[in-house]
Order: sequence, then C-alpha cells, then structure tokens
Amino acid sequence: GAGVSQSPRYKVAKRGQDVALRCDPISGHVSLFWYQQALGQGPEFLTYFQNEAQLDKSGLPSDRFFAERPEGSVSTLKIQRTQQEDSAVYLCASSFSTSYEQYFGPGTRLTVT
Amino acid sequence: DAKTTQPNSMESNEEEPVHLPCNHSTISGTDYIHWYRQLPSQGPEYVIHGLTSNVNNRMASLAIAEDRKSSTLILHRATLRDAAVYYCILREGAGGTSYGKLTFGQGTILTVHP
Repeated sequence: GAGVSQSPRYKVAKRGQDVALRCDPISGHVSLFWYQQALGQGPEFLTYFQNEAQLDKSGLPSDRFFAERPEGSVSTLKIQRTQQEDSAVYLCASSFSTSYEQYFGPGTRLTVT
Repeated sequence: DAKTTQPNSMESNEEEPVHLPCNHSTISGTDYIHWYRQLPSQGPEYVIHGLTSNVNNRMASLAIAEDRKSSTLILHRATLRDAAVYYCILREGAGGTSYGKLTFGQGTILTVHP
C-alpha cells in the first residue's frame, strides 16, 4: 500500500522567504509527527498531532514554525522568514496510534541560501 | 527522556551476523526498547521493539538483558542493503505523556563489506 509521502522533496528558499512543506500520512493513521534532521545528526522531534489536534509542539524551535492538520489527514509545516539555520531535512511520520511503530516519509530537504 | 548509548560505527562482512549493542542504564519500567534504521537519503524505518523478552521478526532479533539496562540488535546475515544508521530508542509505554515521540541519538553507522 501507499506509504507516507512528502512534497516537495527538495526546496531551495532565499533567506526571508516563507515555505510550506506537505505531508500525506498513511490513510487511517491517527498520529502524525514532524521531525527535523540536521546534516549528520539524528532526527529531532518538532510537533505531534492526534487527528486534527496539535497536542505537543514543544519541539518547534521558534514562533516562525507553524504546523497544521485541519482535517486530520494531510499536514503542512510552515516556516516563515526562513533563516540559514533552518536548512535541514524535514521528516513526517505517521502511526496508527501512539503505541504503534511510526512510518516515515522520505523527507523534504530544505536549503536556505 | 531516558538516554541510550551506542558505538559510533561498526563494520561487518556480507552474510555474517552483526550484533549492534545499546546501553540504557536509566531505563524505566514502562519504557519500550525500539530500533529504527535509516538508509542513505531515506526516512527512518522501524526494525523491531521489545519490553522484557527477546523478540524476533523477519528483519532482525532483539536480545534484552535481564536487568533491561542493555540490549542488542542482531542481524543474522548482513547484506549490502543493511548498511545504514541504526538507532536504539527508549519509548514511553501507552498512556504516557510523550505521545510516543521518538528521541533519536547519534546512532551506529553500520558498514557492510562485500
């Protein structure tokens, strides 16, 4: 079956631009996570949704980062006024519930120039 | 979050078994031990998890020490496609306040030689 998909796969943004990254989770998965992975590092948690409710946004690095999942399926991570330190791979993962394994998408590689 | 310690890198030859160790001396009674791996240019992939007993699945085996302070991921016959970063992660059990988020460390880079 279809796995988690993310788009775009690659994004180049000039410093100061806004970007939107999309995640299509596996159908029926209640839980959706966003992670940020800097080069050479393990992924770091950003935020968690249960259906449309954002229950944990403790990992968002600044108020320039905003995520939504309005209908409990597709999610969008938005970064306003991008900075060079935002350059990373952004990973989305979904799971049937919080106690099940997470399925990751291929990630979006964001480069801020 | 409870912390895990893994070697930075390991090497293996193709078709030989690989034992990837993980120390987690501060594990709590409700923490599950999860292993994920990340192949180059891909998102992480679930491998296996366990609580107290050893576990086997089609990908690997997980051996958990009796005191649960360490565990070992076992790949029975390494292939070139097993070359990846392997992450050992402690995950709170159901009903916890962390919502099952994963806290990744640096992981172990596994190199498989033909």
